[in-house]
Amino acid sequence: EVQLVESGGGLVKPGGSLRLSCAASGFTFSSYSMNWVRQAPGKGLEWVSSISSSSSYIYYADSVKGRFTISRDNAKNSLYLQMNSLRAEDTAVYYCARDRADGYTPSGLDYWGQGTLVTVSS
Amino acid sequence: QSVLTQPPSASGTPGQRVTISCSGSSSNIGSNYVYWYQQLPGTAPKLLIYRNNQRPSGVPDRFSGSKSGTSASLAISGLRSEDEADYYCAAWDDSLSGSVFGGGTKLTVL
Repeated sequence: EVQLVESGGGLVKPGGSLRLSCAASGFTFSSYSMNWVRQAPGKGLEWVSSISSSSSYIYYADSVKGRFTISRDNAKNSLYLQMNSLRAEDTAVYYCARDRADGYTPSGLDYWGQGTLVTVSS
Repeated sequence: QSVLTQPPSASGTPGQRVTISCSGSSSNIGSNYVYWYQQLPGTAPKLLIYRNNQRPSGVPDRFSGSKSGTSASLAISGLRSEDEADYYCAAWDDSLSGSVFGGGTKLTVL
């Protein structure tokens, strides 16, 4: 059974940093692109970042470019999101999601974690 | 303001057929595949449609997707109470070099 479990969320002050993790199991992690998608309270979905299986292709939403860094460790079946210079508008539930395949562009996010809440507030 | 435009709400009665539209541009829907997600209250999103009109295994054939030019739509036939959820379209955007989502449509089953 495919499982994605996020961790690392919490309360952080504006300007602070946080590192999210996503532990994957039940599939060959190294064969799939992975994504982070967030959802602010009561709002819609916003794609944040994606990374291909070998980390060759990495993309970011303009809203986080230069502040967030996506990475993965295929040996540990783990996906990460390093978030720096956090702002109030980064407050959201952050989902880790698997792409159906691996490639230059997405093929559909077929498995999602339960999400981890990040709150940026003083 | 989302790059892809969806109506904020839609509704229908049980058994009815409803459609949800998604409007984009030549850099996203016009040149890339469209995806649809269903988000039930308090849960993570679920992939409903990929590559414009393909259903993942386990998704009922009551759900169908289509695309024409820079617009796409999701159709739900034989509406059921359990279909009450938020629906999102998504696509890759060549200009942004990133994925974009629609603002979401809240479907109410009356």
